[in-house]
Amino acid sequence: NAGVTQTPKFRVLKTGQSMTLLCAQDMNHEYMYWYRQDPGMGLRLIHYSVGEGTTAKGEVPDGYNVSRLKKQNFLLGLESAAPSQTSVYFCASSLGTTSHFGPGTRLTVL
Amino acid sequence: GQQLNQSPQSMFIQEGEDVSMNCTSSSIFNTWLWYKQDPGEGPVLLIALYKAGELTSNGRLTAQFGITRKDSFLNISASIPSDVGIYFCAGLWDKIIFGKGTRLHILP
Repeated sequence: NAGVTQTPKFRVLKTGQSMTLLCAQDMNHEYMYWYRQDPGMGLRLIHYSVGEGTTAKGEVPDGYNVSRLKKQNFLLGLESAAPSQTSVYFCASSLGTTSHFGPGTRLTVL
Repeated sequence: GQQLNQSPQSMFIQEGEDVSMNCTSSSIFNTWLWYKQDPGEGPVLLIALYKAGELTSNGRLTAQFGITRKDSFLNISASIPSDVGIYFCAGLWDKIIFGKGTRLHILP
């Protein structure tokens, strides 16, 4: 039981490049989330999913896309990275009030 | 949209002191959650509160779900060095929304 895993752990991109962050959970949780954490801003919800095949926008969805093709995976895509997307990205999953966070992905966009 | 106001933003206390932080919202939540985040790690759930007025303890931590369902507080008694970190409140309705966090520092 690995909980929530995120890949990669670190990434450096140039402005305009694209990439996909992968989140995987093995707890059969229905809900999955992508947050970004910036200094002094707490955790801001980017997108979330209430089940396989469904996604919804959070507080700061612009510049990101997501997909939940399989229940255990939640992908976060950046089509054209911008310096403002430099952040630490956390994935989480939940079932009821049981929630688990991944270890985070530190992304730098130059 | 739903927003949580968490205070204080940071605290500097002496080891052994008690700590109190709170979270308020303009929206009603049906569950309040409190998390702790250590440096370089993801948040870890400390306490979950399910109904208005509920008071729940987890060791030296005590949290309450406000009667109005729009606020919650967290107390830590007799702080120790490993309590250092960022504490987040979160409200759950259809999704989990976080406050901006309270950074706890403990002075030697």
